[in-house]
Amino acid sequence: EAEVAQSPRYKITEKSQAVAFWCDPISGHATLYWYRQILGQGPELLVQFQDESVVDDSQLPKDRFSAERLKGVDSTLKIQPAELGDSAMYLCASRREAGANVLTFGAGSRLTVL
Amino acid sequence: QQQVKQSPQSLIVQKGGISIINCAYENTAFDYFPWYQQFPGKGPALLIAIRPDVSEKKEGRFTISFNKSAKQFSLHIMDSQPGDSATYFCAASKPGNTGKLIFGQGTTLQVKP
Repeated sequence: EAEVAQSPRYKITEKSQAVAFWCDPISGHATLYWYRQILGQGPELLVQFQDESVVDDSQLPKDRFSAERLKGVDSTLKIQPAELGDSAMYLCASRREAGANVLTFGAGSRLTVL
Repeated sequence: QQQVKQSPQSLIVQKGGISIINCAYENTAFDYFPWYQQFPGKGPALLIAIRPDVSEKKEGRFTISFNKSAKQFSLHIMDSQPGDSATYFCAASKPGNTGKLIFGQGTTLQVKP
């Protein structure tokens, strides 16, 4: 069964450091999402890509967060500098085609900022 | 602004019992209501979904009941099993091509043997 791959699975960093997360969606999935899930809460959308273009980044803290999907396949989410409040699970999801409702999530990257 | 409210936060059910999780939404533009199941260390996975043109959808032991006038929907897990122990999220999305999901806060279900 095809999966959304994410790495690293776990990251511990000190505040003010830079961190990066990588996501490889299911092959052929044009839409890619980055969600943040704070412990005990539901996932919240950070950024959405359609191919290589950003569709929605209204909830992305752009002063410290950036995301790219240069070739419309895999994607990187970066945080610089990391803050204590960034500790969360960062989930990547992909969707087969526009109009399809089913999102397939990866296992996530858990970030702990000390 | 939280657009999807979920309750209870946690739930303990005996094996064989019925688990019920409720969600309420505010935006009447929502037209797709999925439930996701998440096991520890894993990402959420789609469990079952409904659109507002039907009042109920059943898949095996899982049923969604939908009340459009009350803007509420619920997940019923019949004959709950220890393997159902997980966190459940309701979600909603608007029409259009974005597929953006707005999630509830989650319910941690524990099914005791």
